[in-house]
Amino acid sequence: DAGVTQSPTHLIKTRGQQVTLRCSPKSGHDTVSWYQQALGQGPQFIFQYYEEEERQRGNFPDRFSGHQFPNYSSELNVNALLLGDSALYLCASSFLGRDGYTFGSGTRLTVV
Amino acid sequence: AQSVTQLGSHVSVSEGALVLLRCNYSSSVPPYLFWYVQYPNQGLQLLLKYTSAATLVKGINGFEAEFKKSETSFHLTKPSAHMSDAAEYFCAVSEGSNDYKLSFGAGTTVTVRA
Repeated sequence: DAGVTQSPTHLIKTRGQQVTLRCSPKSGHDTVSWYQQALGQGPQFIFQYYEEEERQRGNFPDRFSGHQFPNYSSELNVNALLLGDSALYLCASSFLGRDGYTFGSGTRLTVV
Repeated sequence: AQSVTQLGSHVSVSEGALVLLRCNYSSSVPPYLFWYVQYPNQGLQLLLKYTSAATLVKGINGFEAEFKKSETSFHLTKPSAHMSDAAEYFCAVSEGSNDYKLSFGAGTTVTVRA
């Protein structure tokens, strides 16, 4: 049973560019959350998607947007990249958004 | 709003010794509490969770945690450390109900000495 799959695993972008990260949830899960983990810190909640809608959002600017598809997979888009966006981006899935989440291995984004 | 404080950013223990990682939380409602472990260059793996059932929660790899409402704590313990326990550990809280996000502490890095 595949867990949460994220792609790509590593990415290097230039300031001002746009990036799309992808996530396939664990089989049977319908909810996808995205987190940003800066080096040496705990993950910070970006947003959660359920039934193809953004259900809850953390304190991130509008440059961060997302989408959930009918098969429950999700994308995270970041526009106008800043150096400070360099981080590990984690996707987490769950059933109905409760009771513990299964995390993927993350996408390491480096902005230069 | 909820928050989590993990006391001690680094803990070093000898192999076979007790592992104790401290977590205190603040929450306006009865919380859901979690401990996750992160190995280098990997995502987070759930160790255990408290969701208002038994206050002593047993998890994977011999870890357990006790929810103490009076102390607003959810400390993680393991009686005997193994070299494979070297990792970073995160405590997280969710307020449940209509709050779906996990709020994480800053993490505690565990080093195990042979």
